[in-house]
Amino acid sequence: KAGVTQTPRYLIKTRGQQVTLSCSPISGHRSVSWYQQTPGQGLQFLFEYFSETQRNKGNFPGRFSGRQFSNSRSEMNVSTLELGDSALYLCASSPRGSGSYGGYTFGSGTRLTVV
Amino acid sequence: AQKITQTQPGMFVQEKEAVTLDCTYDTSDQSYGLFWYKQPSSGEMIFLIYQGSYDEQNATEGRYSLNFQKARKSANLVISASQLGDSAMYFCAMREGGSEKLVFGKGTKLTVNP
Repeated sequence: KAGVTQTPRYLIKTRGQQVTLSCSPISGHRSVSWYQQTPGQGLQFLFEYFSETQRNKGNFPGRFSGRQFSNSRSEMNVSTLELGDSALYLCASSPRGSGSYGGYTFGSGTRLTVV
Repeated sequence: AQKITQTQPGMFVQEKEAVTLDCTYDTSDQSYGLFWYKQPSSGEMIFLIYQGSYDEQNATEGRYSLNFQKARKSANLVISASQLGDSAMYFCAMREGGSEKLVFGKGTKLTVNP
């Protein structure tokens, strides 16, 4: 079966612009989580969506937002980009949003560079 | 407070030998899950193995096993018979209680030498 698909794979944006990243989960998975990975801070949780509702949110400014559609696909948006937003953004899907065991499957990520 | 600690920034191992990657965690929850992921240079996070806090047996998946010592709050990954393709970053992660949020350690870079 198809894995988690993230688009685009690479992105270069200018400071002050906004960007939208997309994540299509594995078919049947209803929970989608987003993570930011940087060399300095490592992997940090951004937010999690389940059935179109944000259930958890990490400690990021309001410039970072997301949403989930009825088909479970998710998008995250970063407005007013800063140089520090340059990172690998990873999305993970899981079959249940209850916190019980379910393998989290990650996508290949979107590498965002802000110049 | 740091919840996942991986004390080895880098590890080297000879091909075909076993290697242990350390992970300690901190939580006050009784119910939690521990994960190990492999991240090659391509960036994708590859799930390796999972251990639930109530699991009495150590988890095993092929060449991977998790040495779970609950009282010591450690969840070390053991890779047997290392292969060149095992060279990558390895991350230990924890999920607490009913949350879907994973908390990751800083990772260990494993290099397998021929």
